[in-house]
Amino acid sequence: GENVEQHPSTLSVQEGDSAVIKCTYSDSASNYFPWYKQELGKRPQLIIDIRSNVGEKKDQRIAVTLNKTAKHFSLHITETQPEDSAVYFCAAKRTAQKLVFGQGTRLTINP
Amino acid sequence: EAGVVQSPRYKIIEKKQPVAFWCNPISGHNTLYWYLQNLGQGPELLIRYENEEAVDDSQLPKDRFSAERLKGVDSTLKIQPAELGDSAVYLCASSLGTTSGDGNEQFFGPGTRLTVL
Repeated sequence: GENVEQHPSTLSVQEGDSAVIKCTYSDSASNYFPWYKQELGKRPQLIIDIRSNVGEKKDQRIAVTLNKTAKHFSLHITETQPEDSAVYFCAAKRTAQKLVFGQGTRLTINP
Repeated sequence: EAGVVQSPRYKIIEKKQPVAFWCNPISGHNTLYWYLQNLGQGPELLIRYENEEAVDDSQLPKDRFSAERLKGVDSTLKIQPAELGDSAVYLCASSLGTTSGDGNEQFFGPGTRLTVL
C-alpha cells in the first residue's frame, strides 16, 4: 500500500520568511495530493491540493509542487504570518484507495 | 452551511467499558470516513462508507470496533470493550461522492477525544 513520509517534523521560521515542507510517496499510481492544516485542538482543514496531471498549483501565499518522477511533493508558504503556525499534513491517494497521511510538520512562526 | 458534526467532543471512560461516537456529515455528502488520530500523528482511516455500504473497513479492528450508517446519513462508531491503547482522537469526515470518492475534498469534523483510564 501507499506510504507517505513527511519532513521536517518541526520547522521554525521568522515571520515574513518562507517555509517549505516536503513529502515523498511510494505508490507511483497515486494521483491526488492534498495538504491539511490543523491548529491545536481543531479539525484538519484542506488548504491546497494537486492532482497528478499538474506540476504546480498556487493560491495566494501557498503553493504546492509535484514531481511524479521522483515521487515527491512540497508545500511552500511565502511571507509567513503568525497565523500560519499549525501542524501541516500531506497526504496521497490513488483512485479508489484510501487517503494516506504523512506524520505531520509542526510549523512555528516567530514574530 | 453546517459542517461535519460529531459528539461527544470529549469522553473519559475506564478500560473494558463500551463507548460510542456519533457523526453527522455535511448534507448531500454520501461518502463518510472514520479516522483515528494519535497524538502527534496523521489521521489513519478506520472505515469508509459510500452511502450505507462500508467499502473499506480493512483497518477497523473488528474484534472490538464496529460501525454503522444505517440510512446512509449519520454514523456511529463503537468500541467494546475499550482498551488503554484506544485513547486518541476519533475524527469523522465526509465528501461528495463519486463511486470511489476520489479526489473530492474531505471535510473533517472536530473529533472526539477519547481517554481510557
